[in-house]
Amino acid sequence: AQRVTQPEKLLSVFKGAPVELKCNYSYSGSPELFWYVQYSRQRLQLLLRHISRESIKGFTADLNKGETSFHLKKPFAQEEDSAMYYCALNLRKGGSEKLVFGKGTKLTVNP
Amino acid sequence: DTEVTQTPKHLVMGMTNKKSLKCEQHMGHRAMYWYKQKAKKPPELMFVYSYEKLSINESVPSRFSPECPNSSLLNLHLHALQPEDSALYLCASSLPKVLAGTYYNEQFFGPGTRLTVL
Repeated sequence: AQRVTQPEKLLSVFKGAPVELKCNYSYSGSPELFWYVQYSRQRLQLLLRHISRESIKGFTADLNKGETSFHLKKPFAQEEDSAMYYCALNLRKGGSEKLVFGKGTKLTVNP
Repeated sequence: DTEVTQTPKHLVMGMTNKKSLKCEQHMGHRAMYWYKQKAKKPPELMFVYSYEKLSINESVPSRFSPECPNSSLLNLHLHALQPEDSALYLCASSLPKVLAGTYYNEQFFGPGTRLTVL
């Protein structure tokens, strides 16, 4: 089955501490993975895509095919990072595409 | 215009009402999506339109009826809903991109319509 697992529902860290949000996937092909973020009262927005290997707002995520993981990391968390984070897998179905989301991790960065 | 817009922002309806949600984008995206998001849950895909044709229906009850009048507009017609249908309804659109010779699809989300069914 194709699925995304985010094992932590809640994650709380202090400002300046490193943070890692875990994401594991199950997919038989070559995965297309994304991290989306939803700040309070704002729309869901794309944070990172695995294919571009970039750093956005200090966050990075590396695809590890051996461990089927795509963990999101930031070395020094900031209060404004507090939000809901979703890992998502893009699936191709019948010529169309759909995102399958993990259940999300709510990150709280305390002052 | 680089955003997906949705109207109305909030909607309250009775179980016998008929209402519609509207989604619009002018980014030239040819795929559009409806998602349902319950509180503290991830978005769940309902429908996908590709080039104005319905391509995915995730076994959604017929009281939800999608429509794509043109490449910029997506509607969701609601009729005889139940209280458990109360949720945030998200629209998204997507554009295929190529990076370093590899194709990928990127979805852009609207702010959602918060629906309450009484």
